[in-house]
Amino acid sequence: DGGITQSPKYLFRKEGQNVTLSCEQNLNHDAMYWYRQDPGQGLRLIYYSQIVNDFQKGDIAEGYSVSREKKESFPLTVTSAQKNPTAFYLCASSGQPEVRSPLHFGNGTRLTVT
Amino acid sequence: DQQVKQNSPSLSVQEGRISILNCDYTNSMFDYFLWYKKYPAEGPTFLISISSIKDKNEDGRFTVFLNKSAKHLSLHIVPSQPGDSAVYFCAARAYSGNTGKLIFGQGTTLQVKP
Repeated sequence: DGGITQSPKYLFRKEGQNVTLSCEQNLNHDAMYWYRQDPGQGLRLIYYSQIVNDFQKGDIAEGYSVSREKKESFPLTVTSAQKNPTAFYLCASSGQPEVRSPLHFGNGTRLTVT
Repeated sequence: DQQVKQNSPSLSVQEGRISILNCDYTNSMFDYFLWYKKYPAEGPTFLISISSIKDKNEDGRFTVFLNKSAKHLSLHIVPSQPGDSAVYFCAARAYSGNTGKLIFGQGTTLQVKP
């Protein structure tokens, strides 16, 4: 079955620690995205990547970093510099942007930092 | 600057009746609009989309209407079913260059009462 796998589903960290969220897709999609969901604010774009070894900042990239070494994988690191890291993180992928295709989402990782 | 707005945080309708979810946008460069449905602790799932060259798209019980002059988008669900109870996000894309990233509204929580 093709899809997007995010792991783990729940993650707990102490303040000051970096943490990496995993995202893997087997849809053969070129583009991958990280969004963050907070209550009442919808989904906000953190980083996106249109192709391997290339990525761009989204609207709220501060305190986050990504890598795209493989087409299938787009891990997100939440660093200690992120002031409000507790949130629900969603990874997505899509086909070529010139073809109007929807984003496909994983089931998310709930990160709690205390 | 919220480019995509869903001004109603919640909506409650009776089973069998019509549900109308609304969305407004400000960017006239948006060329593709989508609706997503989301259950708690899961990723959003794609529901229906519409290109900016159309004013209506229908898929079973779901119809999306686009009024470009008013920069307004709506999703009609007829008849509404209890399983439709979820958070609904509208999203829009401004295709420029090689990026197809989506901008999301804040979401509307729909409750369909049996």
